[in-house]
Amino acid sequence: SQQGEEDPQALSIQEGENATMNCSYKTSINNLQWYRQNSGRGLVHLILIRSNEREKHSGRLRVTLDTSKKSSSLLITASRAADTASYFCATRLGGSEKLVFGKGTKLTVNP
Amino acid sequence: GAVVSQHPSWVICKSGTSVKIECRSLDFQATTMFWYRQFPKQSLMLMATSNEGSKATYEQGVEKDKFLINHASLTLSTLTVTSAHPEDSSFYICSATDRGYGYTFGSGTRLTVV
Repeated sequence: SQQGEEDPQALSIQEGENATMNCSYKTSINNLQWYRQNSGRGLVHLILIRSNEREKHSGRLRVTLDTSKKSSSLLITASRAADTASYFCATRLGGSEKLVFGKGTKLTVNP
Repeated sequence: GAVVSQHPSWVICKSGTSVKIECRSLDFQATTMFWYRQFPKQSLMLMATSNEGSKATYEQGVEKDKFLINHASLTLSTLTVTSAHPEDSSFYICSATDRGYGYTFGSGTRLTVV
C-alpha cells in the first residue's frame, strides 16, 4: 500500500532555480520524512518533520507540514546538478513501525 | 552514523533458481527490518516486516513461500527469492530500524532473472 502521493511526478529545472515538491497523505501521522534516491541506489534520509511542527530547515532544504490538509512540501533552494534524483515522502502507519512511501518526484537539474 | 550493508548489489540468475539477499546492520542492533521492492520508475513497495527471532509479517499480495525472510539475529536479515522468474526482476531494498537511529536503508540489490 502507498500512503503518499507526490506531485509533480517529474520536475525539470535549471541550476540555481528552486525546486518544490509536494506530498499528500491519507491517515494521521506522527511524523513525515523525506528521502532522496539517486538512480539505482538506496535511499538517503533528508529530513523529518514531526506532526506538531509546521516548518523545518536543513541547509538548502525547507520542509513544511500542514496536518489539516494532510500535505507536506519539500523546497530545495539554489538547486545544483547534483540534486538530480528522485525524492520520496514517507510516513509511518498508525502505531506500527512500517514506513510507507509516496510515489516520488523525479527531479532533474540541468547545468 | 548507522550503516546497513546489503549484498549483493546486483545479481543475475537463471529462471527457476533461488537467490539470497543479505542485509546487515553494522553498528547498531536492528530490532526490526523491512524489505521493499521497487520496479523501474516506481516507488518502494513494502513487502514484509521482520523482527529478530520471529516470523516475518508479509504485506497483502506478497507470497511468503516465494519470498522467504529470515531475521536470525539483531544484525542480519535475509531475503530469499525462491524459484525466481523474470517477473521477479526488480530492485530490492532493505531497511533497518532501532528506535534510537530511525530508519537506515541498504544500498539495494538489482535482481535480474533470465
